[in-house]
Amino acid sequence: DIQMTQSPSSVSASVGDRVTITCRASQTMSRWLAWYQQKPGKAPQILIYAATNLQSGVPSRFSGSRSGADFSLTISSLQPEDFATYFCQQADSFPTFGQGTKVEI
Amino acid sequence: QVQLQESGPGLVKPSQTLALTCSVSGDFISNGDYSWTWIRQHPGQGLEWIGHISYTGNAYLNPSLKSRVTMSVDTSKNQFSLNLTSLLAADTALYYCARLTPNWHIFDYWGRGILVTVSS
Repeated sequence: DIQMTQSPSSVSASVGDRVTITCRASQTMSRWLAWYQQKPGKAPQILIYAATNLQSGVPSRFSGSRSGADFSLTISSLQPEDFATYFCQQADSFPTFGQGTKVEI
Repeated sequence: QVQLQESGPGLVKPSQTLALTCSVSGDFISNGDYSWTWIRQHPGQGLEWIGHISYTGNAYLNPSLKSRVTMSVDTSKNQFSLNLTSLLAADTALYYCARLTPNWHIFDYWGRGILVTVSS
């Protein structure tokens, strides 16, 4: 199975900051990498699919990129509603998730 | 709008079997366009895919749980179910059902989750 190592585990940021979260795959994989946002007491919501595609309805300040085994989620200008936990998920083999990154004020 | 709703016991004893059901509205499992998934989240931790099932009943299970998991689908009720046997305290978690898209391999709709505690 493919393991996803996500970093950092938490990040403190301010409104307007640029934030980047990274997931590194344990082996070569294709583009089946997604990013989710989870707020306390809520189910995760999809943000990015196939590494770089923005899900319909998601603000354009969210973007995904890839460099080799590293996949990144970038929030270009952090908004108050973006303080949440973010997970990556691969689907090259059976689905696995990163451990999550908590974005805190 | 697609909605999923988990139901089942919130407290089960060790060694017993957990039975959860997910009721789907806004889509028909029998359409065959998606797979139907169970995912769990241990308290304060990450997410773990348990498995998913198609409308035909073909199930794909996490190898680490495969020996204890069965899944089924009831298209007449538009529901799918999870059975997890030989429960341990480590199975205490928030259990989600979700819809898996076949083209982009993402979970696009989720239930609100049901907290299951394994304790005597």
